[in-house]
This record gives sequence, structure tokens and C-alpha cells, in this order.
Amino acid sequence: GAVVSQHPSWVICKSGTSVKIECRSLDFQATTMFWYRQFPKQSLMLMATSNEGSKATYEQGVEKDKFLINHASLTLSTLTVTSAHPEDSSFYICSASDRGQETQYFGPGTRLLVL
Amino acid sequence: AQSVTQLGSHVSVSEGALVLLRCNYSSSVPPYLFWYVQYPNQGLQLLLKYTSAATLVKGINGFEAEFKKSETSFHLTKPSAHMSDAAEYFCAVSEKGDDKIIFGKGTRLHILP
Repeated sequence: GAVVSQHPSWVICKSGTSVKIECRSLDFQATTMFWYRQFPKQSLMLMATSNEGSKATYEQGVEKDKFLINHASLTLSTLTVTSAHPEDSSFYICSASDRGQETQYFGPGTRLLVL
Repeated sequence: AQSVTQLGSHVSVSEGALVLLRCNYSSSVPPYLFWYVQYPNQGLQLLLKYTSAATLVKGINGFEAEFKKSETSFHLTKPSAHMSDAAEYFCAVSEKGDDKIIFGKGTRLHILP
């Protein structure tokens, strides 16, 4: 099946710094990618929908200036957590849509810890 | 708007017993329904999905789910639980197979020896 990768798999940073997370579709072109966040022992919450070549669509309550999303190519979307704070510590998961297969594939996730 | 309700945040079954995880959905359009499994500190793995073909959907690892429109349910079952089935299970709904997915709160499955 299709593969979606995320990099890094985990990251620890100091409060106030910015962190970039990459999401790549390895063997298909993804015009749409999604970013989810999962707090410990909770479900996944959709943060934003990322479309190649256009601005991301953010869910209600998600700060677009804090969570910058760029979908520069059909195989890469990035999520940048700007001026990270401890409350941003979470598990971030991306997914990519393969429209030809009408299926969404999930990445392995990135665990962010902000100290 | 679409939503998913998973009944029971924790379910415990004995090894070898029937597994039944309940999921009810709400959708204004014919839904796509999914069950995902998540092992500790790992990403999501798709168990099975319903796409309006057969109402009984067979997935990986011996799991299956039945779509019941009249009950707006999509319960997950497995005839005989194995210790390796202990994990978090998420029911999810989408308008299309490649569209954004709305997840339920999850059910932690515990397998008793």
C-alpha cells in the first residue's frame, strides 16, 4: 500500500523556538494532506486541510499564525509550530489523500515535547 | 455535520472471547466509515473501511464490521480475542474516502489472560 512518512519522528525543543514537521507521500501524489493533533489518551483532532499550491484551511479554534502549513509540492506538506510552548506538546499526525484510490493514508506521527 | 460516538472508553475481554466495540455515526450524506487501531506510541493502522459496497466488511487481523443504516451503527467484532489485540481503537467517518476524517474518542481494548 501507499506510504506516508513524517520527519522527525520525535522532537524536543525549548519554549519559544519553532519546530518544523515534514509529511511526505512516498509513492503517490497527494493534492490534499491533513494535519491532526492527538493529546495523551485522547482522540485525533483535525487541525487543518492542506491543498497543494493554495492556503491551508484551518479548523475552528486552530491558530493559523501559530501552526503554519505549507504544501509546496504534490508529495510534501510541512507544519511549523511557531514560538512553541509546553501546551503545544502533543502527537502530530499527517495524512495524505490518494484521489485515484479514494483513500487516505496516515503517517507514523511526530511526538513534540516543548520544555 | 458528521460525528461518531464510541460507546465505552474501555472494554475488557478474556483471551479467546468475542470482541465487540460499538460505534454509532451521524451523517447527512451516505458515509464512509472506518476503524483504525493504534498501538502505544505508534501511528494509526487501518483495520477496515465501509464504502457503500457490502454491508459486512472484513478487515485485517480477523476483524470485521457491519454497517447497519437503520441503527446508524458500525460495530467492530472479532470472534476470538488475542493478547496482541490490546490497543486503542478508533471509529471514524468521512464524506468521501479521501476527505477529512472525523474520529470518535476511541476505545481502549484490554485482553485478560
